[in-house]
Amino acid sequence: GAVVSQHPSWVICKSGTSVKIECRSLDFQATTMFWYRQFPKQSLMLMATSNEGSKATYEQGVEKDKFLINHASLTLSTLTVTSAHPEDSSFYICSARSEVVFTDTQYFGPGTRLTVL
Amino acid sequence: GNSVTQMEGPVTLSEEAFLTINCTYTATGYPSLFWYVQYPGEGLQLLLKATKADDKGSNKGFEATYRKETTSFHLEKGSVQVSDSAVYFCALRANSGGYQKVTFGTGTKLQVIP
Repeated sequence: GAVVSQHPSWVICKSGTSVKIECRSLDFQATTMFWYRQFPKQSLMLMATSNEGSKATYEQGVEKDKFLINHASLTLSTLTVTSAHPEDSSFYICSARSEVVFTDTQYFGPGTRLTVL
Repeated sequence: GNSVTQMEGPVTLSEEAFLTINCTYTATGYPSLFWYVQYPGEGLQLLLKATKADDKGSNKGFEATYRKETTSFHLEKGSVQVSDSAVYFCALRANSGGYQKVTFGTGTKLQVIP
């Protein structure tokens, strides 16, 4: 099956700093990538959807200036948490889909655990 | 809006027991329905899916039938193994705000003991 990787798998940072998380589709070209946030014992909440080469579409309530998403190529998307604060601590998961190959299926990365001190 | 409700866990079963994890949904139109599984330390993996009413998705001994009349997509397995211990997410894909979006349930943790 298709593989999606994330880096780093966990990160600890100080309040006020910025953190970048990478998401890569390893064996297919992802026309669409998704970023989710998962709180303990809660569901995955979609933060934004991005298509290669265009601006991301953010869900209601998600600050686009705080969570910067770049989908520079068909295999790479990045999420940058700017000026992180402890309330941003969470598990961030990316997902990728190919409209050409897997039209109805999203493949998920293993997630990144962010802890802001 | 669209929503998915699944039974709260954790669910603890002995090996070879029968498993049912309930899932119901609310959606406009005709959603596709999915079950995803998340093993410890790994990302979500698609377990099975169904795209229209009365379809049955199946994989690795797991089954779920798309029931439009009861808006349900319950996950079943006849005989669970210790290796099935994981968190299971029910999800739907439907139009929301003009484009296709996946909505997840809260997940049900399954623990199978020898």
